[in-house]
Amino acid sequence: LAKTTQPISMDSYEGQEVNITCSHNNIATNDYITWYQQFPSQGPRFIIQGYKTKVTNEVASLFIPADRKSSTLSLPRVSLSDTAVYYCLVGDKTGGFKTIFGAGTRLFVKA
Amino acid sequence: NAGVTQTPKFQVLKTGQSMTLQCAQDMNHEYMSWYRQDPGMGLRLIHYSVGAGITDQGEVPNGYNVSRSTTEDFPLRLLSAAPSQTSVYFCASSYRQVTSGNTIYFGEGSWLTVV
Repeated sequence: LAKTTQPISMDSYEGQEVNITCSHNNIATNDYITWYQQFPSQGPRFIIQGYKTKVTNEVASLFIPADRKSSTLSLPRVSLSDTAVYYCLVGDKTGGFKTIFGAGTRLFVKA
Repeated sequence: NAGVTQTPKFQVLKTGQSMTLQCAQDMNHEYMSWYRQDPGMGLRLIHYSVGAGITDQGEVPNGYNVSRSTTEDFPLRLLSAAPSQTSVYFCASSYRQVTSGNTIYFGEGSWLTVV
């Protein structure tokens, strides 16, 4: 699995757009990029997944440049309820399967 | 759909006791795993399984055993509980192949305190 690097923490204010970038320099051809969100006292939950270019759903957008060595999770107009830990995972999960989440990015949204 | 079900939700153990955390999924997922999460920390992989009869170690396997006799169940056994194993435990499952739309599903967590 490709190793990922993301900021440890970020602060924002309500109504702002938040961008969290994840570096994955050794991403493989078959790897997908998946982001998860974890609220306190809950298990992580899927936010968005992409392979290349841009993906958008009702929660977030995911921007992936052509070289795919990084990706950016974009949360539009955050609210207090977006305060959570965000994890970036990269892999294709075929064969050996060892999903390492790492520390994630702690986003704190202030009023 | 029940998804991933973990039991118990809360447990207090004395040092040296053993116990089993249960995990079951009803999505026919090949892959199942156990994580622990200490306060303010990220998830650390304990053990994982890519199918019935197949298990392997994660980042922090010491003090834990697993087995996978069926596709649905993946119990985690604490052999001799230690205070350092006080943590929240999450079970997860997914299809083996990550393709568009296949993601990891987590249980609600099991809070374990070892005194």
